[in-house]
Amino acid sequence: DAKTTQPTSMDCAEGRAANLPCNHSTISGNEYVYWYRQIHSQGPQYIIHGLKNNETNEMASLIITEDRKSSTLILPHATLRDTAVYYCIVIVRWAANNLFFGTGTRLTVIP
Amino acid sequence: DTAVSQTPKYLVTQMGNDKSIKCEQNLGHDTMYWYKQDSKKFLKIMFSYNNKELIINETVPNRFSPKSPDKAHLNLHINSLELGDSAVYFCASSHRDRDGQPQHFGDGTRLSIL
Repeated sequence: DAKTTQPTSMDCAEGRAANLPCNHSTISGNEYVYWYRQIHSQGPQYIIHGLKNNETNEMASLIITEDRKSSTLILPHATLRDTAVYYCIVIVRWAANNLFFGTGTRLTVIP
Repeated sequence: DTAVSQTPKYLVTQMGNDKSIKCEQNLGHDTMYWYKQDSKKFLKIMFSYNNKELIINETVPNRFSPKSPDKAHLNLHINSLELGDSAVYFCASSHRDRDGQPQHFGDGTRLSIL
């Protein structure tokens, strides 16, 4: 599975958009980009995933570059409850079994 | 309504004991997993079961034995507990053969070895 690179930490003001980048320059054509987050003392929570096209759901938007070598998770209006570690994971599309959680980005939403 | 539930939430025990952690999912998924999150917060997969059959077994000591009585349950039994087993253990589930389906996680079992 492709390796991902994320910044260690980021801050975001409450109510503003949080843009979390992820580099996955070795991604192959059959690999999805997944985003999970882990709020303190809880299990990881699925946010969104995509293959080529940009995706949006009730939680976030995922923007994938045309060459698929990087992506950005956007939380449109960050709240204090969005403070968490965010993980970008790239994995083969038909076997989302062996999720590899790296170090992720620790997002702190500031009042 | 809990989708993936683990029991117990906290487990404190002595070195050398044998303990079990239970996991149940009510999502109708066919695949279940166990992950371990150590003190440095790295989250690593341990086991994966699909339709009660083991499909992933990462480098885990054989003191750890998963048991899947049915598709909705995956229990983790640990023999001869060691200090290094102290961690948070997460259970998860998903549909394996549906393209791009995410995993759903429980809230973890915090295991402390004295």
